[in-house]
This record gives sequence, structure tokens and C-alpha cells, in this order.
Amino acid sequence: DVKVTQSSRYLVKRTGEKVFLECVQDMDHENMFWYRQDPGLGLRLIYFSYDVKMKEKGDIPEGYSVSREKKERFSLILESASTNQTSMYLCASRPGTGYGYTFGSGTRLTVV
Amino acid sequence: RKEVEQDPGPFNVPEGATVAFNCTYSNSASQSFFWYRQDCRKEPKLLMSVYSSGNEDGRFTAQLNRASQYISLLIRDSKLSDSATYLCVARGGAGSYQLTFGKGTKLSVIP
Repeated sequence: DVKVTQSSRYLVKRTGEKVFLECVQDMDHENMFWYRQDPGLGLRLIYFSYDVKMKEKGDIPEGYSVSREKKERFSLILESASTNQTSMYLCASRPGTGYGYTFGSGTRLTVV
Repeated sequence: RKEVEQDPGPFNVPEGATVAFNCTYSNSASQSFFWYRQDCRKEPKLLMSVYSSGNEDGRFTAQLNRASQYISLLIRDSKLSDSATYLCVARGGAGSYQLTFGKGTKLSVIP
């Protein structure tokens, strides 16, 4: 089975801190994605990457950046955390465009 | 705006009932479709892909109607363990990388 591993399950950070969320997949997948999920808003795409060093903005990229230096790792960076970035963050990967995603177990981030 | 619309529910059904979820998508160029299941405070997990000819996996049947831009999921003989939120998902047209998720339909199966 494909494994998508997110480094932290729960995280509490202070306003203004720089926050790194890490995601690693073990199946040589091309495409990787970062979503956030909030009650009533569903899953919203932040950024995605279709190959190493490639990145594309999703629907809500403001306040975030990403890094994909190696195929298996896709990092989400909150440049200066704010309370409205408190959310569940989900990383996903897949082998190609015709396939569904495999999600990591999520990081529940609280910014205080 | 490209969207996937679902009835949020909740659907409260007794064990053994048959329940159907419907979903519409706005992007006529969408090419791949899926149903995901999400348990409370867990990540979404792929339940099944949806094919034009319709497909079945045990108690679950998925249908796609491209003309009406409509997807359905039928669950027969509901179990308590089927209680979850079901997400309808569509991929955009050729060359599109991301999936668009509906907000989900909540199902509670009651004894």
C-alpha cells in the first residue's frame, strides 16, 4: 500500500512564526498536493506539484509557499502564521492524472 | 467556477436500509470521477472510482451520467460501520492535475 506520511499529527504555533509541514510518500508518485479542510468549506487546494521542483498555485495559495526538492517530499510553509490558518492540513499524492489521491493522516494546526 | 455539488445531509438511516447519494459537477470536460469516504477526524480514503458504464463493489454501486453531469453512489444493506461523510470528486479536463471535491454528504446508520 502507498504510504503518505505527514510529520506531525497535531501542532500548536504562535502568530508570526514560520511553520513547516512535511509530507513524504514512498511510491515514487509524480503528483503531490496540499489541501486544508475546514468545517463547512470542504477541502481547498493550496498548492500542488506535478514533478520535482515544479509547483503550481491552487485555489488559496496566499500566505503559503511550498518546496519540492526531492520526488518523495513536498513541504508546505506558512511564512508568518496567522490565526486564520488554524485548520486541518492534508497532503496527498498520486501516480498520474487518471488516478485518485492517497492522503496522509493530516496535521491539525492551531495558531494562537 | 468549476464545482462539485452535494447534498450535505445528514442522512440518518436504519441498519439494512438502502441509501443513495447524488452529486452534480459543473465542468463538462471532467474526465475522472471518484467517491471518497471520510471518517470523523480522519483523512479521506478512496472508496471507488466511477466509470461511465457504472461499477459495483460489494454493497456499493456508482453511476455516472455524463449528459446530466451527475454522479451517484448507492449503498445497499447499510451497516453501522458505513457511518461517515462521503465525498464526490471530479477531475478537470485533459491536462488538469487537480481533483475538485464536493463538501461531502454525512451518513449516520442507526441501529
